[in-house]
Amino acid sequence: GESVGLHLPTLSVQEGDNSIINCAYSNSASDYFIWYKQESGKGPQFIIDIRSNMDKRQGQRVTVLLNKTVKHLSLQIAATQPGDSAVYFCAESPGGGADGLTFGKGTHLIIQP
Amino acid sequence: DTGVSQDPRHKITKRGQNVTFRCDPISEHNRLYWYRQTLGQGPEFLTYFQNEAQLEKSRLLSDRFSAERPKGSFSTLEIQRTEQGDSAMYLCASSSDRFYEQYFGPGTRLTVT
Repeated sequence: GESVGLHLPTLSVQEGDNSIINCAYSNSASDYFIWYKQESGKGPQFIIDIRSNMDKRQGQRVTVLLNKTVKHLSLQIAATQPGDSAVYFCAESPGGGADGLTFGKGTHLIIQP
Repeated sequence: DTGVSQDPRHKITKRGQNVTFRCDPISEHNRLYWYRQTLGQGPEFLTYFQNEAQLEKSRLLSDRFSAERPKGSFSTLEIQRTEQGDSAMYLCASSSDRFYEQYFGPGTRLTVT
């Protein structure tokens, strides 16, 4: 069936560098995408979202890029900090976000000192 | 604290017992979602409510699972005759009709022995 997936299970970056986490989705009907951060033992924390009528959206230190042609989503984190260490999930919805989300498996971001 | 709350945070039960979890959404949110997350995986959608109406149920929600939201505020998720495969983190999220970002609670970790 159609699902959301991630290219890399673990990403290690130096503190202060920029991080790029990638996500591939296969449901062409998806029109809403979200990135979540999950720390050990906690629920997912909303980071940023984007709708299919946009290609790019920026937040505080984060940018989400959407390429609908190749069904690819990425999360860029600028100047990574130790507190950015977590598992990052992308999620998608064909219902504009009103219905249940489909999550990928996650990328574990490790920040090296 | 005005975020999503879940109770209990941890539950250990013996196989065959019934368990019930509670979720209190963010007060102004009328949509409430239940997800299940196993170790190393992303959350999987189970069901969601708009006010007191249960609008969608995943095929993951077997007959042993039932969710209610009788007054459109808090929700309960009951699992009857628990099995070891039910061991997981059960997450609740809520959102509004105006902004569809789903905000998650801390989860209830269920261990079936």
